[in-house]
Amino acid sequence: EAQVTQNPRYLITVTGKKLTVTCSQNMNHEYMSWYRQDPGLGLRQIYYSMNVEVTDKGDVPEGYKVSRKEKRNFPLILESPSPNQTSLYFCASSHHQQGRTYEQYFGPGTRLTVT
Amino acid sequence: TQLLEQSPQFLSIQEGENLTVYCNSSSVFSSLQWYRQEPGEGPVLLVTVVTGGEVKKLKRLTFQFGDARKDSSLHITAAQPGDTGLYLCAVAVTSGTYKYIFGTGTRLKVLA
Repeated sequence: EAQVTQNPRYLITVTGKKLTVTCSQNMNHEYMSWYRQDPGLGLRQIYYSMNVEVTDKGDVPEGYKVSRKEKRNFPLILESPSPNQTSLYFCASSHHQQGRTYEQYFGPGTRLTVT
Repeated sequence: TQLLEQSPQFLSIQEGENLTVYCNSSSVFSSLQWYRQEPGEGPVLLVTVVTGGEVKKLKRLTFQFGDARKDSSLHITAAQPGDTGLYLCAVAVTSGTYKYIFGTGTRLKVLA
């Protein structure tokens, strides 16, 4: 089954404790992305990657890191989480070709609480 | 940067009513997408519109891309409780980058 998986689905942590949220897709998509969703602010893009070893900042990258060592995986790293990073996080993937827009497939979400 | 404004933010209607949701911007886009998100899940693509003035229909949902490609609307005819969800418009910003921008969303509740 074609899908985007994220782990964990729920996470409660404390300020400053490094964490990683994993994302994996099995559709051989070139483009992968991380979003956070907050009430009243909608979905905001954190980082994206157009292919292996190519990553770039979205609109809200501060406090986050990503890597794209393999095509299927795109982990999101919070080196020193803070309470303002409490949010619902989504990973997404799609095909990519410059000049074209493709459907993004979203994972089920990770609800993160930082106390 | 909030390029896409959606209205209304919230909408609660009775089953069988019609409704229209809007997505507006001052920028021109090569294409625009509409997604629907149900509670506890990620967004799912409904449609992509690419041509100014284009109208696409998906059962009771009608999507229109503005002639100037700056805005779009989603019209639902005879809404049903299954239409309940968060409707999001989205565009790709491709000048020197390839970011996706989402609107703030319209939360629709259809009452039986």
